[in-house]
Amino acid sequence: DGGITQSPKYLFRKEGQNVTLSCEQNLNHDAMYWYRQDPGQGLRLIYYSQIVNDFQKGDIAEGYSVSREKKESFPLTVTSAQKNPTAFYLCASGGTEQFFGPGTRLTVL
Amino acid sequence: RKEVEQDPGPFNVPEGATVAFNCTYSNSASQSFFWYRQDCRKEPKLLMSVYSSGNEDGRFTAQLNRASQYISLLIRDSKLSDSATYLCVVNPGGYALNFGKGTSLLVTP
Repeated sequence: DGGITQSPKYLFRKEGQNVTLSCEQNLNHDAMYWYRQDPGQGLRLIYYSQIVNDFQKGDIAEGYSVSREKKESFPLTVTSAQKNPTAFYLCASGGTEQFFGPGTRLTVL
Repeated sequence: RKEVEQDPGPFNVPEGATVAFNCTYSNSASQSFFWYRQDCRKEPKLLMSVYSSGNEDGRFTAQLNRASQYISLLIRDSKLSDSATYLCVVNPGGYALNFGKGTSLLVTP
């Protein structure tokens, strides 16, 4: 089955800890993206990568970091510098049309 | 001015009704347009792309008016399973997408 997987589905973190969210795709897409969704808000772009070993900041990159060592994988690290990390994190891949993974709900305790 | 604006609703309609959503966008150079559907606590799923000539997929019809910078989605013969949030999405150029906050639809028996 082709698709995008994200793990974990739910994640709880203490303040001051870094956490890494996983995103894997087997759709052979060059471009991958990370979005954040807050209740009642539209999706906001955190980072995106058009090809391996290259990525660009989106609208809200502060407090986040990414890597793109393999075409299939685009992990997102939420660092302790992110002031309001509790949110629904969505990974996507694709070009003109983007397809989403099931998301990770991060809660900071 | 927000880049993509939608009426948040909720739209409460009975089964079998026809309902229409509109969305406006601010960037006149925008190149691609989409409607996504998002169920509660799930990822957005691509419903349809919107073409300049308009397009139809079963009970769903999308229209684009570039001169007025708005996009519409018409749902005919509403089903209970159509209850969801509908996201208007615009590609202003390049890879990033701009998302509206969504319009909530509730179809009742």
